[in-house]
Amino acid sequence: DVKVTQSSRYLVKRTGEKVFLECVQDMDHENMFWYRQDPGLGLRLIYFSYDVKMKEKGDIPEGYSVSREKKERFSLILESASTNQTSMYLCASSPTFSGRSRYNEQFFGPGTRLTVL
Amino acid sequence: AQKITQTQPGMFVQEKEAVTLDCTYDTSDQSYGLFWYKQPSSGEMIFLIYQGSYDEQNATEGRYSLNFQKARKSANLVISASQLGDSAMYFCAMREGRAGYQKVTFGTGTKLQVIP
Repeated sequence: DVKVTQSSRYLVKRTGEKVFLECVQDMDHENMFWYRQDPGLGLRLIYFSYDVKMKEKGDIPEGYSVSREKKERFSLILESASTNQTSMYLCASSPTFSGRSRYNEQFFGPGTRLTVL
Repeated sequence: AQKITQTQPGMFVQEKEAVTLDCTYDTSDQSYGLFWYKQPSSGEMIFLIYQGSYDEQNATEGRYSLNFQKARKSANLVISASQLGDSAMYFCAMREGRAGYQKVTFGTGTKLQVIP
């Protein structure tokens, strides 16, 4: 059974702390993604990676960085957490896109609810 | 500019009726893919259906079908014979980019409530 796991379901941190969110997939997928989900705003893409050590900015990268040292692991880093980063964080992975294949969907982790006080 | 637009924040549908959830998209790529996901109150993201930009037929998966109108850049989800378990958030998403560099962006979602 395919699986994407995230290190924590709930996390509470203080303003200014460095925060690490870990995501691991066991499907040998090339692509991995980090989103944050906020009510009324849907899922917004923070960063994505299409290969080991490769990363690309999404739509809202400010205040975040990422690391992908191994194919199965994609980490999201909040260098100095702020209250406006309180959110649900979702990690996803997918195989390389094939235009005509139906097997292009992303597989999502359960999410990490981060609260920054 | 929004890449994916879902203009219906919330919708109601009577059980056993059909419902259409709207989605429009914006891309200059020739090759792209469109997805719909369901997110029940439990929070998991469930893949429903996929449409490739080169697919000539509209995608169908059981009670779900995707009304793909390429010229209008719309990819509406049709759910037939709604069930109470269909009550959830529904997200439209688009994958674009070349092989090896693929970005997936989501809309703001539509909350569907099925009334008995």
